[in-house]
Amino acid sequence: GENVEQHPSTLSVQEGDSAVIKCTYSDSASNYFPWYKQELGKRPQLIIDIRSNVGEKKDQRIAVTLNKTAKHFSLHITETQPEDSAVYFCAAQSGGSSNTGKLIFGQGTTLQVKP
Amino acid sequence: KAGVTQTPRYLIKTRGQQVTLSCSPISGHRSVSWYQQTPGQGLQFLFEYFSETQRNKGNFPGRFSGRQFSNSRSEMNVSTLELGDSALYLCASSFAGGPGDTQYFGPGTRLTVL
Repeated sequence: GENVEQHPSTLSVQEGDSAVIKCTYSDSASNYFPWYKQELGKRPQLIIDIRSNVGEKKDQRIAVTLNKTAKHFSLHITETQPEDSAVYFCAAQSGGSSNTGKLIFGQGTTLQVKP
Repeated sequence: KAGVTQTPRYLIKTRGQQVTLSCSPISGHRSVSWYQQTPGQGLQFLFEYFSETQRNKGNFPGRFSGRQFSNSRSEMNVSTLELGDSALYLCASSFAGGPGDTQYFGPGTRLTVL
C-alpha cells in the first residue's frame, strides 16, 4: 500500500543553522506533497506544499524540493529560530477518486532548535 | 473565516462504550477528512466525506464510522471502544478534497479509553 518514510525522527540544531528533513513516498501516482508543523498541544498547520509539476518552492526561510524520479522530497529550513521547534510531518496525496481527502503522512520529525 | 472546530476537546470512556465526535469545517468547505494520531502509528487516515457521502475510507475496522450533514458538519462514531482506540482524533476540511486542496486541521479530540 501507500507509504511515506520520513527521516530523521529527531533533529537538534543550533539557532541560525539549517535543518533538512527528508521523505520518500512509494506511490508513483502521488502528485501533491504538503508539509505540516505541529507544536506541542496544537493542531497541525500547513507550512508549505509542492505539486508534482514543480521541482522546488521557497517561502522565506522554508523551501521544499521534489525529485519525482527518486520519489523523494525534502524540507529545508534556513536560519533556524527557537520558535521553529516543533514536530514536522511530510505527507503525500495521489489523484483519483480513491484518494480524495486522503493524505498519507510520514512518521514525523521532532526538531529542536537550541538558543 | 473561522477555523475548523471540534467538540468535545477531551473525552474519557471505558472499554465497550461508544463515542461520537463532531467536526465543523471552515465555511464553504465541503470535504471533511478524519485522522487518528497516536505516538506509535502517527497520523492515519480514517475516512473522507463530501456532500454527505463517504468517498474514501482507510484501513480501520467497521467500529469506526462517520457521517456528514447537509451543512458539511461531520461526525465520527466509534463503537465498542478498545484500549487501543485512545488517541487524538483530528478532522481536516478542504474545499473539495482533491490533490492540491489544502487541508486545514481542527484542534482535535483527545479520547482516552480506560
